[in-house]
Amino acid sequence: DSGVTQTPKHLITATGQRVTLRCSPRSGDLSVYWYQQSLDQGLQFLIQYYNGEERAKGNILERFSAQQFPDLHSELNLSSLELGDSALYFCASSGRGTSENNEQFFGPGTRLTVL
Amino acid sequence: GEDVEQSLFLSVREGDSSVINCTYTDSSSTYLYWYKQEPGAGLQLLTYIFSNMDMKQDQRLTVLLNKKDKHLSLRIADTQTGDSAIYFCAESRGLRASKIIFGSGTRLSIRP
Repeated sequence: DSGVTQTPKHLITATGQRVTLRCSPRSGDLSVYWYQQSLDQGLQFLIQYYNGEERAKGNILERFSAQQFPDLHSELNLSSLELGDSALYFCASSGRGTSENNEQFFGPGTRLTVL
Repeated sequence: GEDVEQSLFLSVREGDSSVINCTYTDSSSTYLYWYKQEPGAGLQLLTYIFSNMDMKQDQRLTVLLNKKDKHLSLRIADTQTGDSAIYFCAESRGLRASKIIFGSGTRLSIRP
């Protein structure tokens, strides 16, 4: 158990809809990262937040947005969903300060299926 | 470019050694990592190497780093069925190594 939790575990929705994925980082971690894993694209970095502020942006679509709240949990919002958005979405956290190598700890993922 | 590249598949016989290769692009990377993803689970750090090292050994795992060629490899000795997973190579970039770029992963399958 990495200490990172994600909800829901599975999500099935229709094209055009909007969903919110939630992540709670390990206790004390300030950074939260979001990744998308699909069969054809592999693991893609989407976005990073550090202590409530956006730190780095990857291949995140304009239809997607994220935020990190004062209690450090994060939400990833996916809107106007398309079939190609079906994927596993991982959250990771780091930054407790005790890790010398900036290891990221991954949650179990949310599997999104868009029908 | 930003790519960390690795081959998609590797099949080895149980008991043999597995060698998973990776090339990266940023010569200033501080750390290079190998993450393991078992079926239905998230990624987990398997091992890492600091960029001023050439080799790191940890039980059945050996990591080799060739900075000149920007080549990283992971050798798993005496490969077991429990080693079946996807292995991701990753490099750190930026301030305090805060940005990590992952490869697309190598799926290791073990045949009897």
